[in-house]
Amino acid sequence: NAGVTQTPKFQVLKTGQSMTLQCAQDMNHEYMSWYRQDPGMGLRLIHYSVGAGITDQGEVPNGYNVSRSTTEDFPLRLLSAAPSQTSVYFCASSARWEARSAEAFFGQGTRLTVV
Amino acid sequence: ILNVEQSPQSLHVQEGDSTNFTCSFPSSNFYALHWYRWETAKSPEALFVMTLNGDEKKKGRISATLNTKEGYSYLYIKGSQPEDSATYLCAFGGSNDYKLSFGAGTTVTVRA
Repeated sequence: NAGVTQTPKFQVLKTGQSMTLQCAQDMNHEYMSWYRQDPGMGLRLIHYSVGAGITDQGEVPNGYNVSRSTTEDFPLRLLSAAPSQTSVYFCASSARWEARSAEAFFGQGTRLTVV
Repeated sequence: ILNVEQSPQSLHVQEGDSTNFTCSFPSSNFYALHWYRWETAKSPEALFVMTLNGDEKKKGRISATLNTKEGYSYLYIKGSQPEDSATYLCAFGGSNDYKLSFGAGTTVTVRA
């Protein structure tokens, strides 16, 4: 059972470039989400999904897009990378669409640097 | 944006000593409080999900208590070991929002 698989682990982008962070889970979880982790701050929610075809914005959505075409996959797209998007990104999933009710399972993280 | 505070930001503890730290959250509209352990170069892993006032949970040498009326939770580590070195995150879930709001974490370093 792989759990939550997140790729790549490291990425360096130039300002203005676009890219997609991949996230897949094999636990048939309803809820999937993307967070960013910056020094001294908690995990901040970027976007989330409560099921296939349903996505919504979190706390810091600007500059990012998501889609949820299948239960398993939840990619995060950076449209035009900016240095302010340098961060560590985590994908997470929960068994229930109410994320508050069930423990979150996290991917390994992606360390993104925008130069 | 909910205010979830963790204190202290970091602490050092001698191997064998016990320690505890705090997560503060809004006392109104409480639904659940999560604790996660995040070891360096790994991903956060769930320790506890707590929903009832007065709830106490235990996993090995780590335990947690919950006071929803005053809005805080304590995490205790008994007889700290080097493998307990990690950042401990708490996350609050409110009754009017099914998402989680995370604190910034408490980083524990256990010295041998």
